[in-house]
Formats: sequence, C-alpha cells, structure tokens
Amino acid sequence: GQNIDQPTEMTATEGAIVQINCTYQTSGFNGLFWYQQHAGEAPTFLSYNVLDGLEEKGRFSSFLSRSKGYSYLLLKELQMKDSASYLCAVSEGGGFKTIFGAGTRLFVKA
Amino acid sequence: GAGVSQSPRYKVAKRGQDVALRCDPISGHVSLFWYQQALGQGPEFLTYFQNEAQLDKSGLPSDRFFAERPEGSVSTLKIQRTQQEDSAVYLCASSPRLDRSNYGYTFGSGTRLTVV
Repeated sequence: GQNIDQPTEMTATEGAIVQINCTYQTSGFNGLFWYQQHAGEAPTFLSYNVLDGLEEKGRFSSFLSRSKGYSYLLLKELQMKDSASYLCAVSEGGGFKTIFGAGTRLFVKA
Repeated sequence: GAGVSQSPRYKVAKRGQDVALRCDPISGHVSLFWYQQALGQGPEFLTYFQNEAQLDKSGLPSDRFFAERPEGSVSTLKIQRTQQEDSAVYLCASSPRLDRSNYGYTFGSGTRLTVV
C-alpha cells in the first residue's frame, strides 16, 4: 500500500523561502504531484515529477529522489496568498489513481 | 464545459436518507475520479472510471456507496442509508489521459455532505 508523510503545519514570513518535505512508501511509483488547496476550495495542480531532480515553475519548484522516496516543494518570494494547504500525492504503478497525503497547512505572516 | 462541475454544492441529509451527487467532467476527459475529503485531511480515493468502465472501486468504504458513469461523461455517486461518518466533502476530478497521468487532475469544487 501507500504511505505518504508530510508536516502538518508550517509558518513562514512574507518574502521568504519555504521548503515543504514529503516522504512516501509505495508498492509502485508512477510520479509524484503537488497540489495547492485553499480553505473551502478544490485542490489545484502545481507540479509533477517522475524523474529524479528539480522541476522549476516560476516561484515554485519541486524536487524528487526516487531512491530515497523523498520530495520537496520549494516556494520562493512568499506572498500572503500562498497561505494554503499543500498536498503531496503519489500516482501508483498502474497510473490509475493518485494517493494523497494529509497535507501541510502553510501560514504566511507579514 | 470549462471546468469540472459538481452539484449540489451543499447537501444536508437526515441519517438513513439516500443521496446522489453529480459530477460533470470537462468535455472529452476520459478519466474520472471520486475522492472523499474529511476536514483537515487529504482527499481519499474512492473510485475511478475510464470512459464508462469502472476500473477501480477499491476505495468505496462500504456497499452503501455506488458510482456510475453510464455514457462515459456525467457521473453520479450514490450513498444509501447515509450515516454521520459519511459527512465529508466529495470531490470529483477528471483527466484527459487514459492511464499514466503526467499532469494533474482538474478537480471540481466538491459537494459538502452533512448527515444529521
């Protein structure tokens, strides 16, 4: 089965950089996703990693190490609107479904 | 449509009542997923459709839960004899790809079900 661990909450300051870590154990791996979810809203897709390394997309970057079962989401130049939950999710080997972690609630303070 | 549409947005049901939740995916999207999200938790997988075929229903919590997608577009999640533990947000997501999704799903806004 799948097991995905990420910190429950983090706090950071506006303009700073924050790294949200995620570790996973899976019987099959077909990629790792990060989603952003504001309170009361649907998750929105941020990034996808299937090969080791760093993927950069504007202020957001995501890193994957398959051998370590580890990923992180890096948010630069934090803005107040980045306050949200960040969900780490793994697509299992068959690729038919994605399993989500419990999410990390990020609070950005002025 | 432009996005994934779910209805109703909110539903209050008395314990024991049957409910039906509707999902209208993005036109042409082959894959459709249902997730259940409890407060403060991540979405939990319920079931998956590829066109009209239900390929995985391993996440359905009990035989009171039933999902269908008869024409490969709109899907309905039905919960019979609702119980308080069914209270959650039910999210629908769709994807254009058949299997290996190298990009994310598009989620609907969800249906918040409260069983009283």
